[in-house]
Amino acid sequence: DSGVTQTPKHLITATGQRVTLRCSPRSGDLSVYWYQQSLDQGLQFLIQYYNGEERAKGNILERFSAQQFPDLHSELNLSSLELGDSALYFCASSAVGLQETQYFGPGTRLLVL
Amino acid sequence: AQSVTQLDSQVPVFEEAPVELRCNYSSSVSVYLFWYVQYPNQGLQLLLKYLSGSTLVKGINGFEAEFNKSQTSFHLRKPSVHISDTAEYFCAVSEQGGGNKLTFGTGTQLKVEL
Repeated sequence: DSGVTQTPKHLITATGQRVTLRCSPRSGDLSVYWYQQSLDQGLQFLIQYYNGEERAKGNILERFSAQQFPDLHSELNLSSLELGDSALYFCASSAVGLQETQYFGPGTRLLVL
Repeated sequence: AQSVTQLDSQVPVFEEAPVELRCNYSSSVSVYLFWYVQYPNQGLQLLLKYLSGSTLVKGINGFEAEFNKSQTSFHLRKPSVHISDTAEYFCAVSEQGGGNKLTFGTGTQLKVEL
């Protein structure tokens, strides 16, 4: 158990819909990262937040957005969903410091029908 | 931008045999290197990481990796595998001074057979 929790575990929705994925980091970790794992794209970095502020952006679509709240939990919002958005979405968290280990949650499996 | 190549998508090996999973990277700046393992239906777990210092890094579960700057490689090895090592293994890099975001390889499925 990494100490990072993600909800829901599974999500099935239809094209065009909007969903919110939630992540609670390990106690004390200020950084949260979102990654997408799909069969065709592999594991890709989406976005990083540090103590409520966006720190780095990767290959995140404009239809996707994220935020980190004062209690440090984070949400990833996916809108106007397409079939190709079906994937496993991971959240990771890390402590402050140079190249601190990122601890991954169990992921949310999203299926868009 | 950095990239990671894991040439072997699948590696079958018999139990108690040694194994090497290959990883090569490309970057215009110095990098930090990582190996993660993903068991079925689970998240990723860090096996080991290279930040600086000794090029031979020891990790959990008996794994080790060697950083070779001239060959831009970071191969993962284990002298004797166990059935429980069956999993997918990902090599990842992050650029020094480029934040903590990880760039992953495509993964290598290690299948340990009796």
